[in-house]
Amino acid sequence: GQNIDQPTEMTATEGAIVQINCTYQTSGFNGLFWYQQHAGEAPTFLSYNVLDGLEEKGRFSSFLSRSKGYSYLLLKELQMKDSASYLCALRNTGGFKTIFGAGTRLFVKA
Amino acid sequence: DVKVTQSSRYLVKRTGEKVFLECVQDMDHENMFWYRQDPGLGLRLIYFSYDVKMKEKGDIPEGYSVSREKKERFSLILESASTNQTSMYLCASTTFQGWASGSLREQYFGPGTRLTVT
Repeated sequence: GQNIDQPTEMTATEGAIVQINCTYQTSGFNGLFWYQQHAGEAPTFLSYNVLDGLEEKGRFSSFLSRSKGYSYLLLKELQMKDSASYLCALRNTGGFKTIFGAGTRLFVKA
Repeated sequence: DVKVTQSSRYLVKRTGEKVFLECVQDMDHENMFWYRQDPGLGLRLIYFSYDVKMKEKGDIPEGYSVSREKKERFSLILESASTNQTSMYLCASTTFQGWASGSLREQYFGPGTRLTVT
């Protein structure tokens, strides 16, 4: 099976950097995805990792270490609009199914 | 822009009613998915479809069925609604470009339907 663990909530200050961790136990997967979901809205795609290492997309970066069963999403220069839930998800080796973590609610304060 | 639409944002139904949730995507995606999202549990896959008239059970299919008669439309059916099916229902779609890791594509989600069963 696949278990995905993320912190339930985090709080950070506007302009700061925050790292949201995701750990998992799985027998194998094709890729790890990060989605952002504002309250009452649909999740939207942020980034994904297939290989170990860092993927950078503007203010957002995502890191994967398959050997450690670990990923993180890094948000730089935090803005108030970054207050949202961040979902870590694994796409299984069959390619069709994606397993989502429960998400981390990030609160950005002034 | 990819657009995934769902027939209702809010729905209130009575226990025992048959409920239809409709999802339409406009990007010619092969794969479509139905999830439910509950606090503390994240998104859980109910059913998915990888082609017209093809469907596969997800992790929590009990009490649900689906229909995919046209490529752009994927319907979720609650045969006899129960109070434990009160939830946010999210539809998603993605294109399929092969099994290799490099062909992975993200899912595009609809706005969700908040269903309350009383």
